[in-house]
This record gives sequence, C-alpha cells and structure tokens, in this order.
Amino acid sequence: DAKTTQPTSMDCAEGRAANLPCNHSTISGNEYVYWYRQIHSQGPQYIIHGLKNNETNEMASLIITEDRKSSTLILPHATLRDTAVYYCIAHLGGSARQLTFGSGTQLTVLP
Amino acid sequence: AAGVIQSPRHLIKEKRETATLKCYPIPRHDTVYWYQQGPGQDPQFLISFYEKMQSDKGSIPDRFSAQQFSDYHSELNMSSLELGDSALYFCASSLWLVAGGKVDHEQYFGPGTRLTVT
Repeated sequence: DAKTTQPTSMDCAEGRAANLPCNHSTISGNEYVYWYRQIHSQGPQYIIHGLKNNETNEMASLIITEDRKSSTLILPHATLRDTAVYYCIAHLGGSARQLTFGSGTQLTVLP
Repeated sequence: AAGVIQSPRHLIKEKRETATLKCYPIPRHDTVYWYQQGPGQDPQFLISFYEKMQSDKGSIPDRFSAQQFSDYHSELNMSSLELGDSALYFCASSLWLVAGGKVDHEQYFGPGTRLTVT
C-alpha cells in the first residue's frame, strides 16, 4: 500500500467544519483512499472511501484531487464526539488485505 | 445492525500462561482480521482469514496462532505470554462487494479485548 502523510494534530471548533488533509503521492491507480477513525481505545471505525470521484455519506465527505496525490476528509459540523485519531489509508480495495495504519491525525474538537 | 463481537473484553494473565481470544464476525462477512495495538501505538495487523482459509500474515509471533471455524468465528491463541503482549487486540470483519463500479471492502472492527500480562 502507498505511504500516506497526515498532520500529527489539528483542532476544530465545535459546529465548524473539520478539514483533514492527507498526502498519498505514490498511490497506484487501483488503490482506494480509505478513512478510519479511532476514538480513544475503541475499535477503529470506517468513515468513507473513494477511488477517483468525490464521495459523501452520512458521516463525512471525501475530496480527492484530480491527480489523486492528495485528499481531504471533511466533517461538515464537528461535534465533541468527533474527537479521535483519523487515519488515511491507501488500500487495494479488491483484495482481502490488511489495513496498514500510519500515525494518523489527532483531531480535537473544542467547545 | 449486528456488529463484531469479541470476548472476553478484558483478560489478565501471568507470564508464560496461555490465552484464547474469540471473535464473532458480522453475519455473512467472509473475511476476518486480527490486529494488535500496544500502549500509545497504532493498530498492527497480525493475521487474516478469507472463507476459513488463512489469507495474509503480518507481524504475528510464532507463539500466536489463529483459526477460523466453520461458523466463521475466529480464535486467536497466544501461548508463553510475555509482558510485551499486553495490548488491545481487535478483530475486524469485511465482505467484498462491488456496487456501482466501486469496490466496497471496508473493515468493521469489534470493541477489542484488553489483555494484561503480569
């Protein structure tokens, strides 16, 4: 899986949008961009994934640049419960392969 | 919706003892994964099973073994426990699907088993 780079930490005010960037400049054409988060000591939670097109679900939006070298996860209205470590992972979606967790971004939502 | 079930949630063992962790995947999911997360670390992949056959192997010590049974539940067996085995152990399951030309293969994680070796 391609290496991803994320900021170590970010703060966001409650109710505002949280924009979490991720660089994946060596991503291959068949690797998806997956986002997971882990709230303290809980099991990681799937958020969203995409290949080329932007994606949106009930939790978040995923914006992938046209060259696919970077992406942004957007939480539109962050709440205190969104405080977590967010992991951006490049992953071959068509295989039963493991996730390789990097360091992730510690997002802290402030009241 | 049904989630991944892990048992026990907490386990305390002494050095050199054995431990067995159990995982019950989401119904109809065909793949099970085991991850280990040490204190202050990110989750690390141990081993996975697809349709009851071992699929991938990560940094799993030789003292550990795992299997997936006919009912799709999985067990992680850990022997000769060491202090460094103290960690959270997560099980995850997934189902490979293609919808609208997009592959959906997200993993759903259980709440974890916290193993403490004293």
